[in-house]
Amino acid sequence: SQKIEQNSEALNIQEGKTATLTCNYTNYSPAYLQWYRQDPGRGPVFLLLIRENEKEKRKERLKVTFDTTLKQSLFHITASQPADSATYLCALPSYNTDKLIFGTGTRLQVFP
Amino acid sequence: DAGVIQSPRHEVTEMGQEVTLRCKPISGHDYLFWYRQTMMRGLELLIYFNNNVPIDDSGMPEDRFSAKMPNASFSTLKIQPSEPRDSAVYFCASSLGIAQTEIYGYTFGSGTRLTVV
Repeated sequence: SQKIEQNSEALNIQEGKTATLTCNYTNYSPAYLQWYRQDPGRGPVFLLLIRENEKEKRKERLKVTFDTTLKQSLFHITASQPADSATYLCALPSYNTDKLIFGTGTRLQVFP
Repeated sequence: DAGVIQSPRHEVTEMGQEVTLRCKPISGHDYLFWYRQTMMRGLELLIYFNNNVPIDDSGMPEDRFSAKMPNASFSTLKIQPSEPRDSAVYFCASSLGIAQTEIYGYTFGSGTRLTVV
């Protein structure tokens, strides 16, 4: 079955720096991958979707890359702010289905 | 749009009692999902519906769990009888589409935190 690996250790960075989060997956390569943000006590919020034929996608200060050879997606937040502090989840469809499975997320802490 | 609405926000119940969680998806979204989130297992898909019809319930842990969607604007997840290991945050989400040719992100509700004592 498909496995998603996100760094379980929190990422602490200083305001203004670029945060880079990693999502690795095993087995088959999905047709797309999604990233979500989750704040404590809230549901995940959809941020970006990237398809397998797209190497990179941007939205304001966010950038996502998708490397099907490495089986990896990188999620970048440039000029990070304390308000960016949250847990970030990657998600992709399970093999041969449309069911979206989620990684366990990486907690980002941006300090002033 | 008020987004996906779940109720109650918190539920504390005694083991053996029946629990019903409720969800109102975003109008026009054809897909509705029930997920469960725990520290140990993260977000797990329990069941999803397309146009009110259950499509895949393979994630439902046991027969104690059941879900219904009587119309496009309402769904319930019921646990009967509840057990302490059911304690988790239950999320409902909806989406416009999930086919690979027409994929949209999911919109999640704020969740129901269930504690079974």
